Amino acid sequence: AQSVTQLDSQVPVFEEAPVELRCNYSSSVSVYLFWYVQYPNQGLQLLLKYLSGSTLVKGINGFEAEFNKSQTSFHLRKPSVHISDTAEYFCAVSKFTSSGTYKYIFGTGTRLKVLA
Amino acid sequence: NAGVTQTPKFQVLKTGQSMTLQCAQDMNHEYMSWYRQDPGMGLRLIHYSVGAGITDQGEVPNGYNVSRSTTEDFPLRLLSAAPSQTSVYFCASRKGYRDYEQYFGPGTRLTVT
Repeated sequence: AQSVTQLDSQVPVFEEAPVELRCNYSSSVSVYLFWYVQYPNQGLQLLLKYLSGSTLVKGINGFEAEFNKSQTSFHLRKPSVHISDTAEYFCAVSKFTSSGTYKYIFGTGTRLKVLA
Repeated sequence: NAGVTQTPKFQVLKTGQSMTLQCAQDMNHEYMSWYRQDPGMGLRLIHYSVGAGITDQGEVPNGYNVSRSTTEDFPLRLLSAAPSQTSVYFCASRKGYRDYEQYFGPGTRLTVT
């Protein structure tokens, strides 16, 4: 079963507008959740993570995400986007395995395109 | 620190050839992983390691082999390349299990003809 689902493959938005990128996770997994960003032709870098505690998590570059246990969601938001935010965004979970380890599972990604 | 390094950056193989993608990290991280990235499919876990001498399969392990003889290195071997293995391969490492951030290498773009 898919552990994490990103509902939108592409999201176009105008500069300075707000944006929300959606992520839902399987309730069977441990709730360690992450958002990563990938700029063109680069590797991935961490935006923010939720481990425990406050459900609103702030990350780099003005991004934040809210953990919602009842809806099993971890949506990423930014109140005002810039052209430089154009990138692909990945939601990820750290999942406990039957062999007693944790492995990272990624969603399929959401391509954010910021329009001038 | 160099972080996570991968070689080569680009590679073209013929069907049936074998090769090894190299990955090294200098952060003394226990966990290392290999992913492949394909359009519309995100990153899929191939194999991962929780320490020297310990490896496990991910979501798409078929056609790939790994070993972890040292903490620093985690090579990925393609046994007999197939066009379906055309992809971008990323190596990643993290300090520990469960909730640690992953650090990614720059990727290897592999084409199998």
